[in-house]
Amino acid sequence: EAGVAQSPRYKIIEKRQSVAFWCNPISGHATLYWYQQILGQGPKLLIQFQNNGVVDDSQLPKDRFSAERLKGVDSTLKIQPAKLEDSAVYLCASSPNRNSNNEQFFGPGTRLTVL
Amino acid sequence: QQPVQSPQAVILREGEDAVINCSSSKALYSVHWYRQKHGEAPVFLMILLKGGEQKGHEKISASFNEKKQQSSLYLTASQLSYSGTYFCGTEINNDMRFGAGTRLTVKP
Repeated sequence: EAGVAQSPRYKIIEKRQSVAFWCNPISGHATLYWYQQILGQGPKLLIQFQNNGVVDDSQLPKDRFSAERLKGVDSTLKIQPAKLEDSAVYLCASSPNRNSNNEQFFGPGTRLTVL
Repeated sequence: QQPVQSPQAVILREGEDAVINCSSSKALYSVHWYRQKHGEAPVFLMILLKGGEQKGHEKISASFNEKKQQSSLYLTASQLSYSGTYFCGTEINNDMRFGAGTRLTVKP
């Protein structure tokens, strides 16, 4: 079974530029998560989708971050414009559904460096 | 609200035991445990649900005290492969929040 795919793996941009990350979850997984993990910290949930609907985006900085999952499969996270403090690893995870007994499967992440 | 993990770091010799704790200020529905090795994605270890149900790897054990809103992960007879950062994730109203992590180093 293929795992969660993310691209790109690394991205270096200058502040005020825009960037987009892509995630393809495990086939059949209805729930998709985007996390931001700053070096030395735990993953911070940015947004959670159930199929193509947003379940939780309370921690998403909506003035600069946006995400979509139009067809309920793959998803894109965008930052526009980027700030220095956005430097982090962006992790995508998926699970079969929102049930509490479902583990999350994480992708390899995209490491973003903002200069 | 982010759960609090303790200790922040621990160093063990192979074969020694360790306990990692996770506590929340709010009532929990479930606690998830993940291990992350440097430069890699977090990997699932265990889920503990309110009511006593557990799901996870056979070699991993954990407890969940619903009244105290705490969970502990027990690592026994540690191996070199146990090294990594352990995160607990607490679920409140379907929202997952992860702790800052406990860095475990197992030395030969």
